[in-house]
Amino acid sequence: RKEVEQDPGPFNVPEGATVAFNCTYSNSASQSFFWYRQDCRKEPKLLMSVYSSGNEDGRFTAQLNRASQYISLLIRDSKLSDSATYLCVVNRLNYGKLTFGQGTILTVHP
Amino acid sequence: GAVVSQHPSRVICKSGTSVKIECRSLDFQATTMFWYRQFPKQSLMLMATSNEGSKATYEQGVEKDKFLINHASLTLSTLTVTSAHPEDSSFYICSARTGEGAKEQYFGPGTRLTVT
Repeated sequence: RKEVEQDPGPFNVPEGATVAFNCTYSNSASQSFFWYRQDCRKEPKLLMSVYSSGNEDGRFTAQLNRASQYISLLIRDSKLSDSATYLCVVNRLNYGKLTFGQGTILTVHP
Repeated sequence: GAVVSQHPSRVICKSGTSVKIECRSLDFQATTMFWYRQFPKQSLMLMATSNEGSKATYEQGVEKDKFLINHASLTLSTLTVTSAHPEDSSFYICSARTGEGAKEQYFGPGTRLTVT
């Protein structure tokens, strides 16, 4: 079983739609959680950290459920520029080692 | 956010040659940097943790004699792919934390290596 699992998609949604991505992680010792976005042939860029209390940044809302070992990302009012691969990332120990999910591909169309 | 650079951005080399990739933290000091590899349509896989002034820590399955890592200063880590083969063709990305306690990592723009 992969340490971090995501639905690879692709998700094809129209502009303005709301879309949700899910992620599960297998190691209960995981401490930090993130969503990164990666554009084609580019490096990953941090989208947001994920906290147990849930957090929001504009159109993006992230949730963490430690009991279920589940992380989610909700994007509201999708824009064309949101088209990218969204990576669920987990830091198992406080040593900085990140484990990446395989990514979920999102395409927002006009 | 913090800025990390990589050089070169793209390199093509012949099988059997060695290639050096540089990773620099431009506006902060990084005692620890990380090297990842990403094959097409796959996610990033951590190769090794580069520690300033000490030996790198390699992940299971990564050959330390093939992927030489040197972290000689607080702003520079290098990855040398020795005796490169076509199967080493990949996207190599480095990252750094702004401090030992920092949770977030900042990634360099990546180096696309093609071995012919």
